[in-house]
Amino acid sequence: DTGVSQDPRHKITKRGQNVTFRCDPISEHNRLYWYRQTLGQGPEFLTYFQNEAQLEKSRLLSDRFSAERPKGSFSTLEIQRTEQGDSAMYLCASSPQWGYTFGSGTRLTVV
Amino acid sequence: TQLLEQSPQFLSIQEGENLTVYCNSSSVFSSLQWYRQEPGEGPVLLVTVVTGGEVKKLKRLTFQFGDARKDSSLHITAAQPGDTGLYLCAGERGAQKLVFGQGTRLTINP
Repeated sequence: DTGVSQDPRHKITKRGQNVTFRCDPISEHNRLYWYRQTLGQGPEFLTYFQNEAQLEKSRLLSDRFSAERPKGSFSTLEIQRTEQGDSAMYLCASSPQWGYTFGSGTRLTVV
Repeated sequence: TQLLEQSPQFLSIQEGENLTVYCNSSSVFSSLQWYRQEPGEGPVLLVTVVTGGEVKKLKRLTFQFGDARKDSSLHITAAQPGDTGLYLCAGERGAQKLVFGQGTRLTINP
């Protein structure tokens, strides 16, 4: 097991385009989290899955954001009609119940 | 409003000095975790403290959880350039999500 894998590592997109990120958690971990981290700040919670069920969404997750975990394994985070304010590091973490392992993140730059 | 306040936000000291980073909140957490993050990478867990008053040591790093489980500190003895990085505290409620502080960017000068 190579830990939590995120793809792509970097994404540059034009404002208004849609982007999708993928997260592959540690295989036996049933919980999966998405966080967003802007420069100089700590990560902020976006959403959380237990298996395939999305159990909590932050108010930070506007209607342009959608996350899925269709088979309780990998997850995708889609941002529609990107805005410059969406530029950030998007982090995925997984957990068996206690303890979290973070991926290396996807750095999104909206130009 | 930051639920977890870390101080200082920036710290630059000479190799061999000691330092303490603080993480404070008005909220009670079931556990508190400390992470270290390198540029362009995700946070890496250093330690989890669960019991009020708990002290854990990791080589030259000492972590303490406040008696009321609202605050924590990280003390580094004889800092080395390899300790340079962003240190994050994160509080957990009910094992469902983490609330992070804004981080302390530590620079150890040779």
